[in-house]
Amino acid sequence: AQKITQTQPGMFVQEKEAVTLDCTYDTSDQSYGLFWYKQPSSGEMIFLIYQGSYDEQNATEGRYSLNFQKARKSANLVISASQLGDSAMYFCAMRPMDSNYQLIWGAGTKLIIKP
Amino acid sequence: NAGVMQNPRHLVRRRGQEARLRCSPMKGHSHVYWYRQLPEEGLKFMVYLQKENIIDESGMPKERFSAEFPKEGPSILRIQQVVRGDSAAYFCASSSTGRSSGNTIYFGEGSWLTVV
Repeated sequence: AQKITQTQPGMFVQEKEAVTLDCTYDTSDQSYGLFWYKQPSSGEMIFLIYQGSYDEQNATEGRYSLNFQKARKSANLVISASQLGDSAMYFCAMRPMDSNYQLIWGAGTKLIIKP
Repeated sequence: NAGVMQNPRHLVRRRGQEARLRCSPMKGHSHVYWYRQLPEEGLKFMVYLQKENIIDESGMPKERFSAEFPKEGPSILRIQQVVRGDSAAYFCASSSTGRSSGNTIYFGEGSWLTVV
């Protein structure tokens, strides 16, 4: 069965430090996509970064980068120089090969940035 | 260029009432998806619609839940005879095609249903 696992229910990080949010996935598909979303307390789901399974380079978007280790089936999100506004829930999700919409979601990690 | 618009943002219903959640997809998008997020959980797929067609409703409960995406107007997710367990955030997303690569799914801000 396809599954996303986020092992850190919550994290506290000092402002300006880098933070790594863990995500492992389970799939037998050869082609798939991996996403990270941010959900602040206001509730909206904000897309952060995407990695395709065939992408050879790790995806980066500003302060966000995705540490993609295909053999380990991990897709950790790295946030550099954390800011207070980064405090939110973070979800890792996977799109299976045969679907553009049935994203499979992890349970999320609650990140709190301390001043 | 408006994104995916959902309303209402917050809805309170008594047990047994009906809840209607609306979603206007991003301009030019004809594919709409509904997801449900229970407290402290990730999103779960419910239904995928194109204009006037339900493509995949495998994630939607068989009873009390229905969805439509008419030729004109927003997509509507309807929950009849709501129960406390229906309390959740309901997210709508849209895309321009049904199958493609990359991040082509855009989410609305969600509708929070509370059943009292």
